[in-house]
Amino acid sequence: DTEVTQTPKHLVMGMTNKKSLKCEQHMGHRAMYWYKQKAKKPPELMFVYSYEKLSINESVPSRFSPECPNSSLLNLHLHALQPEDSALYLCASSPEGQGRDEQYFGPGTRLTVT
Amino acid sequence: GENVEQHPSTLSVQEGDSAVIKCTYSDSASNYFPWYKQELGKRPQLIIDIRSNVGEKKDQRIAVTLNKTAKHFSLHITETQPEDSAVYFCAASRSGGYNKLIFGAGTRLAVHP
Repeated sequence: DTEVTQTPKHLVMGMTNKKSLKCEQHMGHRAMYWYKQKAKKPPELMFVYSYEKLSINESVPSRFSPECPNSSLLNLHLHALQPEDSALYLCASSPEGQGRDEQYFGPGTRLTVT
Repeated sequence: GENVEQHPSTLSVQEGDSAVIKCTYSDSASNYFPWYKQELGKRPQLIIDIRSNVGEKKDQRIAVTLNKTAKHFSLHITETQPEDSAVYFCAASRSGGYNKLIFGAGTRLAVHP
């Protein structure tokens, strides 16, 4: 399996809702990432997990809460979002070490906050 | 802070022509340089990468060159085809461990039949 998968593909939520995005990889990668991408912009790093521990939080608002239950799974819990949080949320993974740096992206979740 | 500049922002070529996209990075410690292609509505797809101990790398119609002294790297696409139309992002990072990619702003390439 050489893919990163994400669910759901699309999500519409109100500002008072709580929802979660899910990401899964079975490539044995030990680093996993959450990115936010706005239209016509590059991906913007939000969080990095390395060996299931949070290694980077790029000053992301607390209404976004990441979780790494195991080495294959990554969640992003959403609560009290704002309309400006509407974007494509991408998950990625990389081998970490072993002389390999390639980072592979999932298909993303298109989030709309109403 | 760390920064990657990418030019041009848009590029329009005729099918069969070559296309060149250029990036400049600021962090001298960067040693891993991937290129991603993103079609409309799709995920960024890694198409080629290069490490600082290599000056050039080719894969069929695409090639990447790196000038460490000038902190420049470039993507070359030869014999362009309409399916090459997409947004291309360059990135730079320090390899080893997890990988914090610093992305360029992107180049929208249009290949006209």
